[in-house]
Amino acid sequence: SQTIHQWPATLVQPVGSPLSLECTVEGTSNPNLYWYRQAAGRGLQLLFYSVGIGQISSEVPQNLSASRPQDRQFILSSKKLLLSDSGFYLCAFRYGGSPNEQYFGPGTRLTVT
Amino acid sequence: SQQGEEDPQALSIQEGENATMNCSYKTSINNLQWYRQNSGRGLVHLILIRSNEREKHSGRLRVTLDTSKKSSSLLITASRAADTASYFCATDPASGSARQLTFGSGTQLTVLP
Repeated sequence: SQTIHQWPATLVQPVGSPLSLECTVEGTSNPNLYWYRQAAGRGLQLLFYSVGIGQISSEVPQNLSASRPQDRQFILSSKKLLLSDSGFYLCAFRYGGSPNEQYFGPGTRLTVT
Repeated sequence: SQQGEEDPQALSIQEGENATMNCSYKTSINNLQWYRQNSGRGLVHLILIRSNEREKHSGRLRVTLDTSKKSSSLLITASRAADTASYFCATDPASGSARQLTFGSGTQLTVLP
Protein backbone atom coordinates (compact mmCIF):
# COMPACT_ATOMS: atom_id res chain seq x y z
CA SER A 1 0.00 0.00 0.00
CA GLN A 2 1.02 3.58 -0.52
CA THR A 3 2.09 5.79 2.36
CA ILE A 4 3.31 9.33 2.58
CA HIS A 5 5.56 10.86 5.21
CA GLN A 6 6.20 14.46 6.13
CA TRP A 7 8.59 15.97 8.61
CA PRO A 8 8.94 17.73 10.83
CA ALA A 9 5.44 17.75 12.30
CA THR A 10 5.88 21.19 13.84
CA LEU A 11 8.44 23.90 13.33
CA VAL A 12 9.02 27.31 14.85
CA GLN A 13 11.45 29.47 12.94
CA PRO A 14 12.49 33.14 13.20
CA VAL A 15 11.91 35.55 10.36
CA GLY A 16 14.77 35.46 7.89
CA SER A 17 15.81 31.89 8.66
CA PRO A 18 15.90 29.13 6.03
CA LEU A 19 13.34 26.38 5.67
CA SER A 20 13.40 22.80 4.49
CA LEU A 21 10.36 20.54 4.66
CA GLU A 22 10.57 17.01 3.35
CA CYS A 23 8.00 14.66 1.96
CA THR A 24 8.53 11.07 0.88
CA VAL A 25 6.17 8.57 -0.67
CA GLU A 26 6.33 4.79 -0.44
CA GLY A 27 4.67 2.09 -2.45
CA THR A 28 4.30 3.73 -5.82
CA SER A 29 6.50 4.90 -8.67
CA ASN A 30 6.45 8.17 -10.58
CA PRO A 31 3.68 9.79 -8.58
CA ASN A 32 2.49 13.33 -9.14
CA LEU A 33 3.53 15.29 -6.05
CA TYR A 34 1.97 18.41 -4.59
CA TRP A 35 2.73 20.99 -1.91
CA TYR A 36 -0.20 22.89 -0.42
CA ARG A 37 -0.44 25.56 2.25
CA GLN A 38 -3.45 25.98 4.46
CA ALA A 39 -4.06 29.10 6.51
CA ALA A 40 -6.00 28.68 9.76
CA GLY A 41 -9.64 27.83 9.07
CA ARG A 42 -9.18 28.10 5.32
CA GLY A 43 -8.93 25.93 2.25
CA LEU A 44 -5.85 24.62 0.53
CA GLN A 45 -3.65 26.74 -1.67
CA LEU A 46 -1.60 24.80 -4.21
CA LEU A 47 2.03 25.97 -4.08
CA PHE A 48 3.95 23.54 -6.29
CA TYR A 49 3.40 20.34 -8.18
CA SER A 50 5.71 17.90 -9.90
CA VAL A 51 5.06 15.28 -12.54
CA GLY A 52 8.59 13.85 -12.47
CA ILE A 53 12.14 14.15 -11.15
CA GLY A 54 13.42 17.67 -11.56
CA GLN A 55 10.09 18.90 -12.97
CA ILE A 56 8.55 21.57 -10.77
CA SER A 57 5.68 23.89 -11.54
CA SER A 58 4.91 26.86 -9.34
CA GLU A 59 1.40 28.09 -8.82
CA VAL A 60 2.00 31.08 -6.59
CA PRO A 61 4.96 33.49 -6.83
CA GLN A 62 6.58 33.75 -3.44
CA ASN A 63 9.82 33.23 -1.59
CA LEU A 64 9.34 29.47 -1.46
CA SER A 65 10.83 26.90 -3.83
CA ALA A 66 10.45 23.18 -4.33
CA SER A 67 12.69 20.42 -5.58
CA ARG A 68 12.28 16.78 -6.46
CA PRO A 69 15.72 15.18 -6.29
CA GLN A 70 14.34 11.63 -6.33
CA ASP A 71 11.21 10.03 -7.73
CA ARG A 72 9.46 9.83 -4.38
CA GLN A 73 10.98 12.78 -2.56
CA PHE A 74 9.61 16.31 -2.60
CA ILE A 75 11.23 19.16 -0.71
CA LEU A 76 9.87 22.60 0.08
CA SER A 77 12.45 25.27 0.82
CA SER A 78 12.97 28.91 1.55
CA LYS A 79 16.14 30.94 1.91
CA LYS A 80 14.53 33.57 4.15
CA LEU A 81 11.21 33.04 5.87
CA LEU A 82 8.60 35.77 6.17
CA LEU A 83 5.92 36.08 8.83
CA SER A 84 3.35 35.41 6.11
CA ASP A 85 4.88 31.98 5.49
CA SER A 86 3.29 30.69 8.69
CA GLY A 87 0.71 28.01 8.07
CA PHE A 88 0.00 24.33 7.75
CA TYR A 89 1.92 22.71 4.89
CA LEU A 90 0.59 19.58 3.30
CA CYS A 91 2.25 17.25 0.85
CA ALA A 92 0.12 15.02 -1.34
CA PHE A 93 0.57 12.53 -4.12
CA ARG A 94 -1.46 11.03 -6.88
CA TYR A 95 -0.42 7.76 -8.44
CA GLY A 96 -0.66 7.02 -12.09
CA GLY A 97 -3.83 5.42 -13.32
CA SER A 98 -6.00 6.76 -10.53
CA PRO A 99 -8.87 9.13 -11.31
CA ASN A 100 -6.92 11.83 -9.52
CA GLU A 101 -7.63 11.05 -5.92
CA GLN A 102 -4.92 12.62 -3.84
CA TYR A 103 -3.38 11.17 -0.72
CA PHE A 104 -2.14 13.55 1.92
CA GLY A 105 0.63 13.47 4.45
CA PRO A 106 0.06 14.44 8.08
CA GLY A 107 1.22 18.01 7.51
CA THR A 108 3.78 20.37 9.04
CA ARG A 109 2.69 23.25 11.23
CA LEU A 110 5.10 26.14 10.57
CA THR A 111 5.14 29.19 12.80
CA VAL A 112 7.40 32.05 11.80
CA THR A 113 8.15 34.38 14.71
CA SER B 1 -8.49 31.37 -6.93
CA GLN B 2 -10.46 28.57 -5.30
CA GLN B 3 -13.05 27.13 -7.65
CA GLY B 4 -14.99 25.00 -5.23
CA GLU B 5 -16.85 26.91 -2.59
CA GLU B 6 -18.61 25.13 0.22
CA ASP B 7 -21.76 26.22 1.93
CA PRO B 8 -22.31 26.61 4.82
CA GLN B 9 -18.96 27.59 6.27
CA ALA B 10 -19.92 26.05 9.59
CA LEU B 11 -22.62 23.60 10.62
CA SER B 12 -23.54 22.37 14.07
CA ILE B 13 -25.96 19.48 14.55
CA GLN B 14 -26.96 16.91 17.14
CA GLU B 15 -25.77 13.34 16.97
CA GLY B 16 -28.13 11.24 14.88
CA GLU B 17 -29.18 14.10 12.62
CA ASN B 18 -28.23 14.36 8.97
CA ALA B 19 -25.67 16.89 7.77
CA THR B 20 -25.77 18.41 4.29
CA MET B 21 -22.97 20.42 2.78
CA ASN B 22 -22.98 22.06 -0.62
CA CYS B 23 -20.27 22.90 -3.11
CA SER B 24 -20.38 25.16 -6.15
CA TYR B 25 -17.77 25.38 -8.87
CA LYS B 26 -17.18 27.36 -12.03
CA THR B 27 -15.54 25.37 -14.82
CA SER B 28 -15.98 22.01 -16.53
CA ILE B 29 -14.81 19.05 -14.51
CA ASN B 30 -13.81 15.41 -14.92
CA ASN B 31 -14.91 14.60 -11.42
CA LEU B 32 -15.59 16.14 -8.04
CA GLN B 33 -14.23 14.77 -4.80
CA TRP B 34 -14.96 15.23 -1.13
CA TYR B 35 -12.30 15.14 1.55
CA ARG B 36 -12.38 15.20 5.30
CA GLN B 37 -9.85 16.86 7.61
CA ASN B 38 -9.69 16.34 11.32
CA SER B 39 -8.21 19.27 13.20
CA GLY B 40 -4.48 19.56 12.63
CA ARG B 41 -4.31 16.53 10.37
CA GLY B 42 -3.98 15.81 6.67
CA LEU B 43 -6.94 15.41 4.37
CA VAL B 44 -8.56 12.04 3.79
CA HIS B 45 -10.32 11.20 0.56
CA LEU B 46 -13.97 10.27 1.10
CA ILE B 47 -15.69 9.86 -2.23
CA LEU B 48 -15.36 10.73 -5.91
CA ILE B 49 -18.19 11.35 -8.32
CA ARG B 50 -17.54 11.51 -12.05
CA SER B 51 -19.05 14.16 -14.29
CA ASN B 52 -21.41 11.62 -15.90
CA GLU B 53 -22.76 10.45 -12.55
CA ARG B 54 -25.58 12.11 -10.65
CA GLU B 55 -25.48 10.32 -7.32
CA LYS B 56 -23.12 8.10 -5.42
CA HIS B 57 -23.24 6.36 -2.07
CA SER B 58 -20.57 5.14 0.29
CA GLY B 59 -21.71 3.92 3.69
CA ARG B 60 -23.41 6.86 5.41
CA LEU B 61 -22.26 9.26 2.69
CA ARG B 62 -24.36 10.33 -0.24
CA VAL B 63 -23.02 12.67 -2.89
CA THR B 64 -24.96 14.30 -5.68
CA LEU B 65 -23.67 16.19 -8.66
CA ASP B 66 -25.55 18.59 -10.92
CA THR B 67 -23.27 19.62 -13.74
CA SER B 68 -25.87 21.95 -15.23
CA LYS B 69 -25.84 23.97 -12.01
CA LYS B 70 -22.17 23.27 -11.32
CA SER B 71 -22.96 22.13 -7.82
CA SER B 72 -22.59 19.12 -5.56
CA SER B 73 -23.85 18.14 -2.16
CA LEU B 74 -22.52 15.81 0.51
CA LEU B 75 -25.01 14.23 2.88
CA ILE B 76 -23.87 12.45 6.01
CA THR B 77 -26.70 10.44 7.50
CA ALA B 78 -27.10 9.51 11.16
CA SER B 79 -24.16 11.67 12.17
CA ARG B 80 -21.84 10.75 15.00
CA ALA B 81 -19.60 12.83 17.21
CA ALA B 82 -16.65 11.29 15.37
CA ASP B 83 -17.87 12.95 12.15
CA THR B 84 -16.79 16.30 13.59
CA ALA B 85 -14.26 17.63 11.08
CA SER B 86 -13.83 20.00 8.16
CA TYR B 87 -15.14 18.81 4.81
CA PHE B 88 -13.74 20.04 1.51
CA CYS B 89 -14.86 19.59 -2.03
CA ALA B 90 -12.25 19.45 -4.75
CA THR B 91 -12.73 19.70 -8.49
CA ASP B 92 -10.67 17.83 -11.05
CA PRO B 93 -10.69 20.06 -14.13
CA ALA B 94 -11.49 18.81 -17.60
CA SER B 95 -8.18 20.24 -18.85
CA GLY B 96 -4.70 20.61 -17.41
CA SER B 97 -1.56 18.51 -17.54
CA ALA B 98 -0.88 17.65 -13.92
CA ARG B 99 -4.43 16.93 -12.90
CA GLN B 100 -4.42 19.60 -10.26
CA LEU B 101 -7.32 19.63 -7.86
CA THR B 102 -8.86 22.90 -6.77
CA PHE B 103 -10.11 22.84 -3.19
CA GLY B 104 -12.86 24.88 -1.66
CA SER B 105 -12.62 26.67 1.66
CA GLY B 106 -14.43 23.91 3.53
CA THR B 107 -17.36 23.38 5.85
CA GLN B 108 -16.61 22.94 9.54
CA LEU B 109 -19.03 20.32 10.86
CA THR B 110 -19.57 19.94 14.58
CA VAL B 111 -21.66 17.00 15.78
CA LEU B 112 -22.78 17.43 19.37
CA PRO B 113 -23.18 14.28 21.47
